[in-house]
Order: sequence, then C-alpha cells, then structure tokens
Amino acid sequence: DAGVIQSPRHEVTEMGQEVTLRCKPISGHNSLFWYRQTMMRGLELLIYFNNNVPIDDSGMPEDRFSAKMPNASFSTLKIQPSEPRDSAVYFCASSRTLPGANVLTFGAGSRLTVL
Amino acid sequence: DQQVKQNSPSLSVQEGRISILNCDYTNSMFDYFLWYKKYPAEGPTFLISISSIKDKNEDGRFTVFLNKSAKHLSLHIVPSQPGDSAVYFCAASAFGNEKLTFGTGTRLTIIP
Repeated sequence: DAGVIQSPRHEVTEMGQEVTLRCKPISGHNSLFWYRQTMMRGLELLIYFNNNVPIDDSGMPEDRFSAKMPNASFSTLKIQPSEPRDSAVYFCASSRTLPGANVLTFGAGSRLTVL
Repeated sequence: DQQVKQNSPSLSVQEGRISILNCDYTNSMFDYFLWYKKYPAEGPTFLISISSIKDKNEDGRFTVFLNKSAKHLSLHIVPSQPGDSAVYFCAASAFGNEKLTFGTGTRLTIIP
C-alpha cells in the first residue's frame, strides 16, 4: 500500500496564476479530505468527499478555491487566481468510513508558495 | 471559532521524563478524540484515540486521558525519547460525522 499520494510536493508560483494540487487516496477508502495547515489556524478542513460526492465544503475560503473528485482514485484542489495569502501546506487525507471511529491517513502534503 | 484548542505552542522535556500535552474542546457533540504526530516535511500520522465512553486509553508509552465534564484531554508519553520530538495535533469528531476538527498543534522537543 503506497499510502495517500500527493503532487506536487512543492509549488512556487506567482500571484494570479492557477494552481492545481492532486491527490490519490488509498485504494478502498471511500472518504477524501483536503486540509490546509497554517501557523495561526493549524489544520483546517477545506472540503471532504464521501463516495466521490462533496459533503461539506464550508471550509473553502472563497470562490477562488474549487475541488473535484471525478472518480474514487483521484481528486484535485484548484486555486484560481492564486494570492500570496494562499501560501500554506495543503494535505489530502483518506479514510474508510467507520461510524464513531474515523481515522484519517494523510499524504505528505503539497507546500504552496505564492509570490 | 477554534473548537479544539491547544494552548501550548511548544513544550520541552528531558529525555526519560514524562511529556504531557493538553487539549481543550468547546463542542459538546464531540465524542471521539485522536492524537496525531507530525514530523517536518511529512503528513500527520495517527497515534492514539479515545471514545467518549472511556476516560483512559493506553498504547505502550502513550496514554490519553479524557475528562468530559471539563472538556479536556491530555496525552502522556512515558518515558519520553528523542524520536518523540515532533508536532502533536489533537483532533475531535462528532458521532455520525466523518470530519476531524484539529487544534493548532504543540511542538514537543525532547532534550537528550
């Protein structure tokens, strides 16, 4: 099992450019989560999917952010246009839904720097 | 609105002594609590969890205590080892809800 795979690991871009982060969850996991880590807010949930359907996107900062999960093995988080305040580490996580005992497995993260 | 709070950004402990990391929560619907450990340039990894029907859960050197009336949990590491130096995140979820709400983390440094 290769775990949750994220790409790219590092991304440096200029303000106004489009950024696409990618995630491959663990095979057999039916829930996928996108988190953002910042010093001030720790790990904050942006959006999560269950069986490829978005369930809660209340953490998505604004319309510049969008996420898709076209199939069970792939998800993207897109920022368009990017701004310097979007600089952070973005984590993808997946889990197999277990009521009352949900443990998420995280990828290694994508560090985004917007200049 | 930070529903899960870790008020100590950092903690230093001598090797071999006990490390105690604290976490408070405000949402009374939370009934499952987890601790994650994170090394630099890696994703958080699951360490230990506890359900609200228990007040203690132990796994080797790691013990989590839950005080529901105070809405407080703590992670005890005994004895502390240099490899325990990492950032520790407390997380919580409500029954029937898959998402985890995380705290801001505590950086633990074990001094040899």
